[in-house]
Amino acid sequence: ILNVEQSPQSLHVQEGDSTNFTCSFPSSNFYALHWYRWETAKSPEALFVMTLNGDEKKKGRISATLNTKEGYSYLYIKGSQPEDSATYLCAFVPNNAGNMLTFGGGTRLMVKP
Amino acid sequence: EPEVTQTPSHQVTQMGQEVILRCVPISNHLYFYWYRQILGQKVEFLVSFYNNEISEKSEIFDDQFSVERPDGSNFTLKIRSTKLEDSAMYFCASKAGEFTGELFFGEGSRLTVL
Repeated sequence: ILNVEQSPQSLHVQEGDSTNFTCSFPSSNFYALHWYRWETAKSPEALFVMTLNGDEKKKGRISATLNTKEGYSYLYIKGSQPEDSATYLCAFVPNNAGNMLTFGGGTRLMVKP
Repeated sequence: EPEVTQTPSHQVTQMGQEVILRCVPISNHLYFYWYRQILGQKVEFLVSFYNNEISEKSEIFDDQFSVERPDGSNFTLKIRSTKLEDSAMYFCASKAGEFTGELFFGEGSRLTVL
């Protein structure tokens, strides 16, 4: 059983605050790490797919880093806005099962105006 | 923008009944998936499907579950004899190709087994 953990489980921030959360995953047999943004009553949407150790990806105010040797990824949101409120999911893909994502429990972010 | 669509959005059924959940993946995608989330738990992989056959399946995907792509557009998940513990949100997803990593998810079908 693959262990993918996210912390914190939930986070309340004020509009304008910057925030970050963590995804930890097995450090062996790594193929890829996905980040998804999931708003209530909508479908999860891909933010990033990361494959290389040391990778940094950015989309607007959201960025992510990846450390495959120690098995963690950080997601950063700069200047949070109310529309950033969502659950952020990471998913680990091992080398021998390229079509199977193992999800973490998610970090639920609430941004207060 | 192309999207994955799922029907029904919510189904209530009696234990022991058969249920079919339907999905229309994005039209030029080649890989198809079902995931589920039981309330309060993590999203779990059920099955992946490529080239008209199952490519991977989890321990959850036992003989009570089956998938098919009957007509080149729909992708269905059938649960033969539902149990209470099958109550969950079921998500369909599709992917363009082997090395294009991101999955495109539908909005989910909520199954309630009474």
